[in-house]
Amino acid sequence: DAGVTQSPTHLIKTRGQHVTLRCSPISGHKSVSWYQQVLGQGPQFIFQYYEKEERGRGNFPDRFSARQFPNYSSELNVNALLLGDSALYLCASSLRISGMGNSPLHFGNGTRLTVT
Amino acid sequence: KQEVTQIPAALSVPEGENLVLNCSFTDSAIYNLQWFRQDPGKGLTSLLLIQSSQREQTSGRLNASLDKSSGRSTLYIAASQPGDSATYLCAVKGGEGAGGTSYGKLTFGQGTILTVHP
Repeated sequence: DAGVTQSPTHLIKTRGQHVTLRCSPISGHKSVSWYQQVLGQGPQFIFQYYEKEERGRGNFPDRFSARQFPNYSSELNVNALLLGDSALYLCASSLRISGMGNSPLHFGNGTRLTVT
Repeated sequence: KQEVTQIPAALSVPEGENLVLNCSFTDSAIYNLQWFRQDPGKGLTSLLLIQSSQREQTSGRLNASLDKSSGRSTLYIAASQPGDSATYLCAVKGGEGAGGTSYGKLTFGQGTILTVHP
């Protein structure tokens, strides 16, 4: 079975531009979470979606938005990019709400975003 | 606000040694704790998940323990190998600030960079 897949793997954008990152969860998983990992730090929670509804939001500005589609795939959108948005963006899926019960998170390999 | 700290930040050991990685968290009202491994430039691989009602979990050469009341977890790696070299992250689900709009959030530590040399 395929794991969590993310696209693109790498992306270079200029300040002020907009970016869309995509994630396909493991087959059968209904929950998708997004995390931002700046170099040398642990991942920071951005959003969680379950059954196409937003179920959690971290401390990120409104420039960050996301959605989940009927097939449970997800997009993360970032507007008006800043240099500080440069990071590895990780998507994770789980069978149920992330981390509940015997429902660990499974992460993709991430999208490396560089803002110049 | 839940905070997670990992000690040491980096560790270098010779092959074959047993080693312990430490993780502490400030709010003991967690649902579970998960240990991950991250290779350079890659995503996270789940190693072990311990429910709040459990004291330890084992998988092969890995053993993770949880002392919820003291806010601590350890990851024990037996007979380390060069292939174990990676960054190890612990993450907790729950604790102060993890409800409401933060539902579903895992709070991560900064990780321990492990190097096992031949």
